[in-house]
Amino acid sequence: NAGVTQTPKFRVLKTGQSMTLLCAQDMNHEYMYWYRQDPGMGLRLIHYSVGEGTTAKGEVPDGYNVSRLKKQNFLLGLESAAPSQTSVYFCASGRVSNQPQHFGDGTRLSIL
Amino acid sequence: TQLLEQSPQFLSIQEGENLTVYCNSSSVFSSLQWYRQEPGEGPVLLVTVVTGGEVKKLKRLTFQFGDARKDSSLHITAAQPGDTGLYLCAGAGTSNSGYALNFGKGTSLLVTP
Repeated sequence: NAGVTQTPKFRVLKTGQSMTLLCAQDMNHEYMYWYRQDPGMGLRLIHYSVGEGTTAKGEVPDGYNVSRLKKQNFLLGLESAAPSQTSVYFCASGRVSNQPQHFGDGTRLSIL
Repeated sequence: TQLLEQSPQFLSIQEGENLTVYCNSSSVFSSLQWYRQEPGEGPVLLVTVVTGGEVKKLKRLTFQFGDARKDSSLHITAAQPGDTGLYLCAGAGTSNSGYALNFGKGTSLLVTP
């Protein structure tokens, strides 16, 4: 039972570098989400997608881009990493809007 | 954004004690979820409540949705060390406030033997 798989699990970047986080789900869910979790801040939505080929901004989208070229994959990109983007990033998927979501185990990203 | 306030922020109790954590908002939600998150892992869904006044039980955990659908509580009876974790509530809006859940900041629970 794979569910939601995130890669990589850990990454250290230097300021200004770029990278892409990959999220894959095998449950045929329409909705996919990217969150970041910071101490004392809870989970904050970065971007989300309501289906293949669609993306939309969440609460904290600045500095990030996303793509959903295939239904099962949702990519999160950092074009020019900044120390403020040091966080744990979680991907989630769901069958329909407002339905319970399934989460991956996170990507721990440090920007030096 | 529809804000959810969770209390207490931290809770440390001994095995066998009872506890209640709260999730409050000034907004009405169409449904509310409770998750538990363990260190190094993603949140795992415990329950979804939909109807005002609804009560759901999951073994020693009892979840209640307020009559006005603005608040919820989680009661744990006879807590065990395995209950240790971060408990998150998340509410789904009734309006077109977005497709995603709004999360509270969580209650961090530590149960010691």
